[in-house]
Amino acid sequence: GAVVSQHPSRVICKSGTSVKIECRSLDFQATTMFWYRQFPKQSLMLMATSNEGSKATYEQGVEKDKFLINHASLTLSTLTVTSAHPEDSSFYICSARDLGPKQPQHFGDGTRLSIL
Amino acid sequence: GQQLNQSPQSMFIQEGEDVSMNCTSSSIFNTWLWYKQDPGEGPVLLIALYKAGELTSNGRLTAQFGITRKDSFLNISASIPSDVGIYFCAGQLGNTNAGKSTFGDGTTLTVKP
Repeated sequence: GAVVSQHPSRVICKSGTSVKIECRSLDFQATTMFWYRQFPKQSLMLMATSNEGSKATYEQGVEKDKFLINHASLTLSTLTVTSAHPEDSSFYICSARDLGPKQPQHFGDGTRLSIL
Repeated sequence: GQQLNQSPQSMFIQEGEDVSMNCTSSSIFNTWLWYKQDPGEGPVLLIALYKAGELTSNGRLTAQFGITRKDSFLNISASIPSDVGIYFCAGQLGNTNAGKSTFGDGTTLTVKP
């Protein structure tokens, strides 16, 4: 159980393109999903908390207009990197939590974004 | 904000050896979690700990929730090559913090056959 599917796994595109990444909880409902960015050989950096039916909560220093998050249902959150530039190239990972106070986060397999 | 100190940063061991890594925090957590991340993939949950003093095993892995609620350790017994990866600890306060987890910086494990 507790499977999180992230798509696509890899994206290569030109500078200026907007890229959408999907995160789905396959066998549970997730009122909260999280989006992380990970640089090589570093830990996970939380970008934002995605709340179903409401606005996402962004961490300090993360541009809301740059990284658009939509959590339209209990099983789907999307992250759109708008007008992506080479510095946005990174490994993006989502996670989702089942309902309940002590539920752990379960992660997707990540999306490798490369902007040329 | 809360920070976790995870150590060691990296380990190079021989196949068959036991491994121990730990995380400490200046503040308490209600849940401790241990994840493993393989290259190019997302972290996978190994063990979740919910009570102070709790000792939980998952195959060759054993983890404990410290009595003070400020630390946790993970042991791997009789390591094998597929144990290679980055191990992350994470602490959670629960819904009071919107379910966020605080992650350690990871322990990179290399196992020599």
